Amino acid sequence: DSGVTQTPKHLITATGQRVTLRCSPRSGDLSVYWYQQSLDQGLQFLIQYYNGEERAKGNILERFSAQQFPDLHSELNLSSLELGDSALYFCASSEGQGATLGEAFFGQGTRLTVV
Amino acid sequence: AQSVTQPDIHITVSEGASLELRCNYSYGATPYLFWYVQSPGQGLQLLLKYFSGDTLVQGIKGFEAEFKRSQSSFNLRKPSVHWSDAAEYFCAVVTSGSARQLTFGSGTQLTVLP
Repeated sequence: DSGVTQTPKHLITATGQRVTLRCSPRSGDLSVYWYQQSLDQGLQFLIQYYNGEERAKGNILERFSAQQFPDLHSELNLSSLELGDSALYFCASSEGQGATLGEAFFGQGTRLTVV
Repeated sequence: AQSVTQPDIHITVSEGASLELRCNYSYGATPYLFWYVQSPGQGLQLLLKYFSGDTLVQGIKGFEAEFKRSQSSFNLRKPSVHWSDAAEYFCAVVTSGSARQLTFGSGTQLTVLP
């Protein structure tokens, strides 16, 4: 158990809909990251927050947004969903921002299926 | 931009055989390098890390990796593979600059034959 909790584990929704994925980081970790994993794109970095502030942005679509709340949990919002958004979405957390941000703990992921 | 490349998409070894998974990095200075493992249906787990110092680093589950600056490589090794090592392995680098991020390679799928 990594200590990172993601809900829900599975999500099936229709095209055009909006969903919210939730992540509770490991106790004490201030950094939260979101990744998308698909067969054709591999593991893609989406966005990172540190203590409530956005710190780095990767290949995140404009239809996607995220935030980190004062209690450090994070949510990833995906809207106007398309079939191609079907993927495994991972949340990870780590203590800091420097090299130690590479020492990340991953949740088990949310498998999103858009039909 | 800093990146890592894993040239082998899929590797098959027999149980008990030695293993080496390749990782090459692209970076000007000394990078922060990591190896992660992803078992089926699971999230990623950190195996080992390299920041500086001794170029041979030990990790969990009997894995080690060697940083070779001259070859821009950070290959993962294990002397004797167990069936439970079957998984996908990812090399990763923390990029530098004001917006550090953890960037992963494309992964190597390891199959272990009995």
